[in-house]
Amino acid sequence: DTEVTQTPKHLVMGMTNKKSLKCEQHMGHRAMYWYKQKAKKPPELMFVYSYEKLSINESVPSRFSPECPNSSLLNLHLHALQPEDSALYLCASSQEVPSGRAWGYNEQFFGPGTRLTVL
Amino acid sequence: KNQVEQSPQSLIILEGKNCTLQCNYTVSPFSNLRWYKQDTGRGPVSLTIMTFSENTKSNGRYTATLDADTKQSSLHITASQLSDSASYICVVRVSGGSYIPTFGRGTSLIVHP
Repeated sequence: DTEVTQTPKHLVMGMTNKKSLKCEQHMGHRAMYWYKQKAKKPPELMFVYSYEKLSINESVPSRFSPECPNSSLLNLHLHALQPEDSALYLCASSQEVPSGRAWGYNEQFFGPGTRLTVL
Repeated sequence: KNQVEQSPQSLIILEGKNCTLQCNYTVSPFSNLRWYKQDTGRGPVSLTIMTFSENTKSNGRYTATLDADTKQSSLHITASQLSDSASYICVVRVSGGSYIPTFGRGTSLIVHP
């Protein structure tokens, strides 16, 4: 299984709602990532988990709360979002966060994304 | 500042024609460069990866080149198909230090019948 799955595919929520995005991989990868992508822009890194611990938070507002319950799952909890948070949210995984000779070589496998619309 | 610039921003070609997409980077020290294909509303999929010592790498109708001296890469698509319509993103990683990749803005390719 070389796939990263994300649910739901589409999500529409109001600014007072609480929702969660889910990501799952069964490739034994120990690094998982959340990206946000606006239309016609490259993905922007939000969070990196390494061995189920948060290793990078790219100054993301607290209305986005990541969670890594186990090595296969990654969640993104959403609360009190703003309309400008509407975007494609991509999850990715790689064997591990690169180090030593493998610096940067680990391929990131991306999921299909969740299209989020905040009304 | 590490940057990745792609050109053209968008490209329209007829089915069956060839095209070449460009990627220039200032990322240093260089580790590797990937080309991704991203269909609309989908996640990026890796096409090729190239390291410092590699000049050319092919994946079916996709051929990537790398000139590490001039810090330029190109992606050549041969005999384009309608399914090639997508955004093509160049992603460069540094060697050591931050492992966060630097993404280009992508080239939007539209293939018309």
